[in-house]
Amino acid sequence: SQQGEEDPQALSIQEGENATMNCSYKTSINNLQWYRQNSGRGLVHLILIRSNEREKHSGRLRVTLDTSKKSSSLLITASRAADTASYFCATDLNFGNEKLTFGTGTRLTIIP
Amino acid sequence: DSGVTQTPKHLITATGQRVTLRCSPRSGDLSVYWYQQSLDQGLQFLIHYYNGEERAKGNILERFSAQQFPDLHSELNLSSLELGDSALYFCASSVAPSLGAEAFFGQGTRLTVV
Repeated sequence: SQQGEEDPQALSIQEGENATMNCSYKTSINNLQWYRQNSGRGLVHLILIRSNEREKHSGRLRVTLDTSKKSSSLLITASRAADTASYFCATDLNFGNEKLTFGTGTRLTIIP
Repeated sequence: DSGVTQTPKHLITATGQRVTLRCSPRSGDLSVYWYQQSLDQGLQFLIHYYNGEERAKGNILERFSAQQFPDLHSELNLSSLELGDSALYFCASSVAPSLGAEAFFGQGTRLTVV
């Protein structure tokens, strides 16, 4: 089963609008990462947020983490056509299980 | 370019056959992870190696095996292939055995079993 579940499964917005994706997970984590995947290609790391952090920024990306609710959100501001991709959250569990567990992904489409 | 190299990019083979997928991690990365991505199962963790030793195992079938060699490249062997094994297989590398660092993914090997 998936540790992370992204919501929504698919999102279409106009270029220039902001896009928000959410991720929920089930167990305690050390950190949470967001990745982007262009169709059929490898995943690209976007941002990592540690369990003791609440918010992090990187360029047009803003990630929040609420460990009490076991959830995270990824905000992409001023979206561009090139942001069209699938976005995944990934968690590593904090009992020493050395693997990244990925969610089901959000398919984001930016309409020019 | 992530610095992780996977070969081959595409592979078409018949049921019952055996294939080997190869991964060269980024220079300096000791950890290699293998993932399977299919439409119905999403990204599934298969196995993790660190500096030649197996560190974690996921839902890897008994027909699948992997190893990491002294030069740190890794191979994933898939045998007695079934139609359901058709998927994208990714490897990723990282500096750390426990993931406080990002993972760098290769472009994947698309396996089609016919």
